[in-house]
Amino acid sequence: GAGVSQTPSNKVTEKGKYVELRCDPISGHTALYWYRQSLGQGPEFLIYFQGTGAADDSGLPNDRFFAVRPEGSVSTLKIQRTERGDSAVYLCASSYGQGSGYTFGSGTRLTVV
Amino acid sequence: KQEVTQIPAALSVPEGENLVLNCSFTDSAIYNLQWFRQDPGKGLTSLLLIQSSQREQTSGRLNASLDKSSGRSTLYIAASQPGDSATYLCAVRRDGNKLVFGAGTILRVKS
Repeated sequence: GAGVSQTPSNKVTEKGKYVELRCDPISGHTALYWYRQSLGQGPEFLIYFQGTGAADDSGLPNDRFFAVRPEGSVSTLKIQRTERGDSAVYLCASSYGQGSGYTFGSGTRLTVV
Repeated sequence: KQEVTQIPAALSVPEGENLVLNCSFTDSAIYNLQWFRQDPGKGLTSLLLIQSSQREQTSGRLNASLDKSSGRSTLYIAASQPGDSATYLCAVRRDGNKLVFGAGTILRVKS
């Protein structure tokens, strides 16, 4: 596609529920990244995929968070047993690889009530 | 651990003024540095990417410089316009592929 697409743009869920956030990267971009941005802060790294594999998941805050990219294109970020502290904007980005710039999507605003 | 600081946190200027946004980072062993713009409720738009071997990059009214040894970058905006109002984020990339972001500078250009 022309840009990085994230769906849904907004998600409100109840505490304890499971959510899935989707990212569709730019066609041909082998690297895909998930970041989380809290109000008034810069984005914080969660996980990075090179192809289908998670090359670096050191930013995932705990085992309630999991992400997959089964075919090396679309990725899904999964959050189990959501907590109010998970409320943030979740940003996805893609790139050709190391050395090239990132292209970010518009993000999914997650609100846990 | 890499830390990125942006100064000022917020800036309000009259239209037409030239301005400078500052970014500093603690670990000079970076791969590249990227400046982004973020409009309210939106994602990030890449403005300029400076590789570690470069000193500056220019795009239109924007100029970004990089002094890796001192751990600093500046974003210069010439002849500011109300449409430049946004949050400007600086991010550095070390080894691996993760970016470390500053908290941003909120810019308001008054008409």
